[in-house]
Amino acid sequence: QLQLQESGPGLVKPSETLSLTCTVSGGSISGGNYYWGWVRQPPGRGLEFIGSIYYIGTTTYNPSLKSRVSISLDTSKTQFSLKLKSVTAADTALYFCARESSPPDYTKYFDLWGRGTLVTVSS
Amino acid sequence: DIQMTQSPSSLSASVGDRVTISCRASESISTYLNWYQQKPGEAPKILVYAASRLHSGVPLRFSGSGSGTDFTLTISSLQREDFATYYCQQSYSSSQTFGLGTKVEMK
Repeated sequence: QLQLQESGPGLVKPSETLSLTCTVSGGSISGGNYYWGWVRQPPGRGLEFIGSIYYIGTTTYNPSLKSRVSISLDTSKTQFSLKLKSVTAADTALYFCARESSPPDYTKYFDLWGRGTLVTVSS
Repeated sequence: DIQMTQSPSSLSASVGDRVTISCRASESISTYLNWYQQKPGEAPKILVYAASRLHSGVPLRFSGSGSGTDFTLTISSLQREDFATYYCQQSYSSSQTFGLGTKVEMK
């Protein structure tokens, strides 16, 4: 059974770079109709799409974060990563990694999620 | 960006009630609309994709409808485990957006 697990520092200083890794166990991240993405949720608030990546390296980013975000993947390690630079307190959130299913002729949707990791931006 | 507006932002209901949640897109998104359920301390779970298609394993009391700009999630008979927050999401544009959520609370 495929599982996703986020890892990375829980505390990041303002102006520094937030780096998180999602490890996928129980399967491959290569091929198929799947993208691999990141979604965040500020405390007590709603969900925000950060971006996603296809196994060949094609990326899609939220325009509001595009200048600061980078998503990459390592198929040999079945991991994909998020980097968000120049963080501020507004980037404090629960960060989820998730698999995005893309069935032919239908909408893409996130069908498998990690448990999330809280990242606090503070000095 | 396509804006997604959910209503109501919260509602109180009892077990057995029929519950309806609305989601409106700022422009037409065809049926590129998904619904998620999130409970406190947990990740969201997909309920409905492509506006009306029930994801595998989701109880039949959940249903989705709509196309274009107006969508609805219906719970035909609310169960105790359904008290949660529900989010709609559009994936019509590459920059996906979520609604702000509807919290379903116990009356």
